[in-house]
Amino acid sequence: NAGVTQTPKFQVLKTGQSMTLQCAQDMNHEYMSWYRQDPGMGLRLIHYSVGAGITDQGEVPNGYNVSRSTTEDFPLRLLSAAPSQTSVYFCASKSGSNYGYTFGSGTRLTVV
Amino acid sequence: AQSVTQLGSHVSVSEGALVLLRCNYSSSVPPYLFWYVQYPNQGLQLLLKYTTGATLVKGINGFEAEFKKSETSFHLTKPSAHMSDAAEYFCAVSVGQQAGTALIFGKGTTLSVSS
Repeated sequence: NAGVTQTPKFQVLKTGQSMTLQCAQDMNHEYMSWYRQDPGMGLRLIHYSVGAGITDQGEVPNGYNVSRSTTEDFPLRLLSAAPSQTSVYFCASKSGSNYGYTFGSGTRLTVV
Repeated sequence: AQSVTQLGSHVSVSEGALVLLRCNYSSSVPPYLFWYVQYPNQGLQLLLKYTTGATLVKGINGFEAEFKKSETSFHLTKPSAHMSDAAEYFCAVSVGQQAGTALIFGKGTTLSVSS
């Protein structure tokens, strides 16, 4: 089924470990974005991309890296995980020609 | 820069009562506005969106919202609450070029419905 696929669904990391959250879409959408959701804070934009090779920072980019080597994939990297990065992470994609966003089902990350 | 403020982190209504969830936005360009709902331990579901045209937007599950430029508001309403409406609701504004690139969300409003 067409959509946004996030892997893994759950992850536990130790402080200082690194990992990559994967996000892939098969709708040929130009725009992709990452969000974190924390209780009482809503969803906050981490990074976004308008196309392959082009990324930009959102509201809370510190501690996260992204790259966009293909249209389909937009991985989010945590280089040195911290407990403050414990959150639920959502990826979204969007076509440049319409207004609708497609969200993935999320990755629940716990950093201990 | 665009931003969204949701007034009231928690709203409680009785079943059958009017639901009103408030959202104010700040945008330097004509905004594209969205309401999403999230049920416990689930993902985001789009309720409705305003892009251009008619300022009263109808969405799913009987919800509607009115874009008021003069008040920079996009409040969500439903005439009669149902128990199944209990969830968290997020207002969002699209940022970036043309039809938008990403979303800036408000902090959310939890709706409780009592019988």
